[in-house]
Amino acid sequence: DTGVSQDPRHKITKRGQNVTFRCDPISEHNRLYWYRQTLGQGPEFLTYFQNEAQLEKSRLLSDRFSAERPKGSFSTLEIQRTEQGDSAMYLCASTLGLNTEAFFGQGTRLTVV
Amino acid sequence: QQPVQSPQAVILREGEDAVINCSSSKALYSVHWYRQKHGEAPVFLMILLKGGEQKGHDKISASFNEKKQQSSLYLTASQLSYSGTYFCGTEEVGTYKYIFGTGTRLKVLA
Repeated sequence: DTGVSQDPRHKITKRGQNVTFRCDPISEHNRLYWYRQTLGQGPEFLTYFQNEAQLEKSRLLSDRFSAERPKGSFSTLEIQRTEQGDSAMYLCASTLGLNTEAFFGQGTRLTVV
Repeated sequence: QQPVQSPQAVILREGEDAVINCSSSKALYSVHWYRQKHGEAPVFLMILLKGGEQKGHDKISASFNEKKQQSSLYLTASQLSYSGTYFCGTEEVGTYKYIFGTGTRLKVLA
């Protein structure tokens, strides 16, 4: 397994457009997390999946954000009606279980113009 | 609320030591430490599971006081490669959240 992969690596979009990012976790990892990170800040928790179930979602996440993990494998994060404040690095991480190392993807850098 | 790290930033000369602290207001299952270099994803350093547990490899070690929900990362005889931003990651009891601390920027100078 080559690790966690994210696609695309970079996305530039116009304000108001919808964008979708994909994360492919390590195959045997059943836990998947999405984070948002802005310059100089730590990764900010967005949501958590255990297999296909979304078990935790940050209250900071507006209803413009939605995430899915339909078959318990890859996950998608969609942002509708993007705003300039959505510009950030979006990171995905996966783990084998509680109290295990999190492996991060290289992230998708979103720029909203 | 995310764990608070201190100091926010530190500058060292090669060979000097540093301590980075992480303090949470929540009960924790574990504390993880990561280092992130500019433009890269965080890289795992170590995980601490038990109260009072201390772990380490090479010249980097850490401790976790479960009762105080505090952890410290110890960097000894720092090397240029230690430069980056260090984050603690915490798994909160009773939630599925994996929360990162406020971060500590470390710069090692030759």
